[in-house]
Amino acid sequence: DAGITQSPRYKITETGRQVTLMCHQTWSHSYMFWYRQDLGHGLRLIYYSAAADITDKGEVPDGYVVSRSKTENFPLTLESATRSQTSVYFCASSESWGAQHFGDGTRLSIL
Amino acid sequence: GESVGLHLPTLSVQEGDNSIINCAYSNSASDYFIWYKQESGKGPQFIIDIRSNMDKRQGQRVTVLLNKTVKHLSLQIAATQPGDSAVYFCARPKDSNYQLIWGAGTKLIIKP
Repeated sequence: DAGITQSPRYKITETGRQVTLMCHQTWSHSYMFWYRQDLGHGLRLIYYSAAADITDKGEVPDGYVVSRSKTENFPLTLESATRSQTSVYFCASSESWGAQHFGDGTRLSIL
Repeated sequence: GESVGLHLPTLSVQEGDNSIINCAYSNSASDYFIWYKQESGKGPQFIIDIRSNMDKRQGQRVTVLLNKTVKHLSLQIAATQPGDSAVYFCARPKDSNYQLIWGAGTKLIIKP
C-alpha cells in the first residue's frame, strides 16, 4: 500500500551507541521531515529535506544526522545516542507547501 | 513572533454532542491552516485544511472556521464518537521553507 513507513517501531539502545531510524515513502513526495515528540514540547522539527541530496536543519538538529540519497528514503541517525534523545520520532512527507503526511513513529528508549 | 496555540489542553464531550476545538494565531501573514488528529500510538493524521480566502470549510463531520479579524480558527466535530478520542493539533506552514508551526494540542475525551 502507498504511504509512509517507519522502522523499527520500537528500539531500545544504550548511551553512546549509533542508531538509525528508517523512513520510506511511496508517494514520491519531494519534501520529507523528521520530528521528535516529547511531553511538554509537542512536535519539534529535527531535519527536513526538499529533495534528494538537499537537507537542512530544523529546530533541534544537534546530535542527529540525515541523508537523502533517494527521494523515497530519509534515514535519521543518532551518531552517539544520549538519554535526552529518548523520544518518539516521526517522519513525514509532503508534495509541496502544505499538509504533511506522517508515519506511525518510532519509540526510541536510550538507557 | 510566530506562534500557533490552542486554548485548552483537554476537552471532555459527551458522546453524540458536538465538539469545538479552538486555535489562535499571532502572525497576520498566516494564510493556510491545517488540523491534525493524533490517536494514541499513531502519527498525526491530516483532517482538514483552510486557506485565508475562506471563512469556512466542511468535511465529513468536521467543519473548520477561520476568523481572520480576531486571528482565531476552530475545528467543529459533529456528533462526537468514541473514535474521535485523540489529540488535535492546529498547524500552519512557516514562511516558504515548508516547516510547520504546531500548536500544543488539545486532548479530546469522549464521555459515554
